[in-house]
Amino acid sequence: EVQLLESGGGFVQPGGSLRLSCAASGFTFSSYAMSWVRQAPGKGLEWVSAISGTGGSTSYTDSVRGRFAISRDNSKNTLYLQMTSLRAEDTALYYCAKDIVVTIGAPTFDYWGQGTLVTVSS
Amino acid sequence: DIQMTQSPSSLSASVGDRVTITCRASQSISSYLNWYQQKPGKAPKLLIYAASSLQSGVPSRFSGSGSGTDFTLTISSLQPEDFATYYCQQTYSTPTFGQGTRLEIK
Repeated sequence: EVQLLESGGGFVQPGGSLRLSCAASGFTFSSYAMSWVRQAPGKGLEWVSAISGTGGSTSYTDSVRGRFAISRDNSKNTLYLQMTSLRAEDTALYYCAKDIVVTIGAPTFDYWGQGTLVTVSS
Repeated sequence: DIQMTQSPSSLSASVGDRVTITCRASQSISSYLNWYQQKPGKAPKLLIYAASSLQSGVPSRFSGSGSGTDFTLTISSLQPEDFATYYCQQTYSTPTFGQGTRLEIK
């Protein structure tokens, strides 16, 4: 059974940093691209970042490029999102999501975690 | 970025009804279109990928169609568990989602 378990969310002041983790199990982690998708309270879905199965390719939405960094440790079956210079508009539930392929060209998510909440406020 | 616009934003329907939700892209996206279902407090679930391919395990009452800029998600006979919010997502370029369609019980 595929499982994705996010952690690392919390309350942080504007300008602060957080590192999210997503522990994966039930599939060959390195064979699939992974993404982070967020959902602000009461709002819709927003794709944030993706990483290929090898970790060699990454992509970001414009609003987080230069502030967030996605990475993965295939030996630990874990996905990460390092978030810096956080803003109030980054407040959201952050989901990690498994892609159906190894590359990051056209992200399609067949499994999602339950999310970890990030709140940015003074 | 490609903008995705869903209609309607909300919809009331009864069990057994046939329901259609529309998604329009701001430019042609070929068939790079997915549909997800999200229930309150839960993560989204993939229903349809590549515009018309049914994800494994998803009931056959769900179907998708369209290409280019106009797409539809159809539920042939609504079941109680289908009341949820539905999102389209384009994967032609930097992925973007529609604003969602909330399907409520009439």
